[in-house]
Amino acid sequence: EPEVTQTPSHQVTQMGQEVILRCVPISNHLYFYWYRQILGQKVEFLVSFYNNEISEKSEIFDDQFSVERPDGSNFTLKIRSTKLEDSAMYFCASSVTTSGTRYNEQFFGPGTRLTVL
Amino acid sequence: DQQVKQNSPSLSVQEGRISILNCDYTNSMFDYFLWYKKYPAEGPTFLISISSIKDKNEDGRFTVFLNKSAKHLSLHIVPSQPGDSAVYFCAASVAGNNRKLIWGLGTSLAVNP
Repeated sequence: EPEVTQTPSHQVTQMGQEVILRCVPISNHLYFYWYRQILGQKVEFLVSFYNNEISEKSEIFDDQFSVERPDGSNFTLKIRSTKLEDSAMYFCASSVTTSGTRYNEQFFGPGTRLTVL
Repeated sequence: DQQVKQNSPSLSVQEGRISILNCDYTNSMFDYFLWYKKYPAEGPTFLISISSIKDKNEDGRFTVFLNKSAKHLSLHIVPSQPGDSAVYFCAASVAGNNRKLIWGLGTSLAVNP
């Protein structure tokens, strides 16, 4: 069964450093998402991506964040200068959402735990 | 921002009995609701969903009920099994292509043998 994969599973970095979190969405999916969950808090939407551009982003997704689909399979989240409060689980998700389908569930990867020291 | 609320942080049920997990929402623009299950160190796994035009959706042991007037949905698991022990998240989305998910805080279900 196809699945979303994420690497690395755990990333430890120093405050101010840049990190890149990687995701491989399910191959025939068209919409890609990043969410994060700070320990003890809700899962929060960060950004959605479709047709090689951001389709929506949350208030959390400021200038320190960027996303990219550098090739036909990878989807990356970059945090330019990490802060302590960026420590969280980051989940990538994908969804097929074709024009003929009104509702689509999102499929999630296992997450990357980011620890900023 | 409390658009999706799961007011019970935990629930404990005996194996074989019914588990009922509840979720309330405030945004009347939500038209699609999903339940995800999450084990520790794993990502959320899609379980079952319901659109706002329905009031019930069933898939095996799992049934989701939607009461739009009360802005309430529930997930029923019958019969509950020890392998169902996990955190269950309610999520909702508004019509549109993006369909970003708005999440509840989750309910930790323990099914005791």
